[in-house]
Amino acid sequence: NAGVTQTPKFQVLKTGQSMTLQCAQDMNHEYMSWYRQDPGMGLRLIHYSVGAGITDQGEVPNGYNVSRSTTEDFPLRLLSAAPSQTSVYFCASSYKAFPSGANVLTFGAGSRLTVL
Amino acid sequence: KNEVEQSPQNLTAQEGEFITINCSYSVGISALHWLQQHPGGGIVSLFMLSSGKKKHGRLIATINIQEKHSSLHITASHPRDSAVYICAVNGGGSNYKLTFGKGTLLTVNP
Repeated sequence: NAGVTQTPKFQVLKTGQSMTLQCAQDMNHEYMSWYRQDPGMGLRLIHYSVGAGITDQGEVPNGYNVSRSTTEDFPLRLLSAAPSQTSVYFCASSYKAFPSGANVLTFGAGSRLTVL
Repeated sequence: KNEVEQSPQNLTAQEGEFITINCSYSVGISALHWLQQHPGGGIVSLFMLSSGKKKHGRLIATINIQEKHSSLHITASHPRDSAVYICAVNGGGSNYKLTFGKGTLLTVNP
């Protein structure tokens, strides 16, 4: 069981470049979500999905795009990278969208992005 | 939007001590999560609870819905418990969106 797989682990971009952070889970989880973690700010929700074809915005969605064409994959796209998007990004999933049962989150290992 | 406050921000303990980390939130929730993040970044979910108390090994989590407060206790602390502990809640208008506290950095010295 691979769990939640994020790639790449590290990436350096120049301002204005675009890129996609990949997130895949093999647990048949309905709920998938992306967060960014910045010093002193805690984790903040960027976008989330409650199933294939369904996505919605979180707290800090500007500059990011997502899609959910399959249950397994939830890529996060940076359309035109800015230095303010330098952060550590985490993908997480859970079996059902909250709240229901013992619905804990499973996190990926994180992706550290630096925008110069 | 729910505001989530954790205390203390930093906590240093000696091995074997009983540890308590607190989490307060501002509006009604459907569930509260406790997460652990070790140096190097990986995040692990410890508990999800919506009422009462849960126990796993030396970790105990409690929640008081009326007081909008939760505590995470660690009994017989060990240096391997050193990590950032993060409280997160969902609810307050959207069950699908998690709001996180800023975390409590715990250091357990041998």
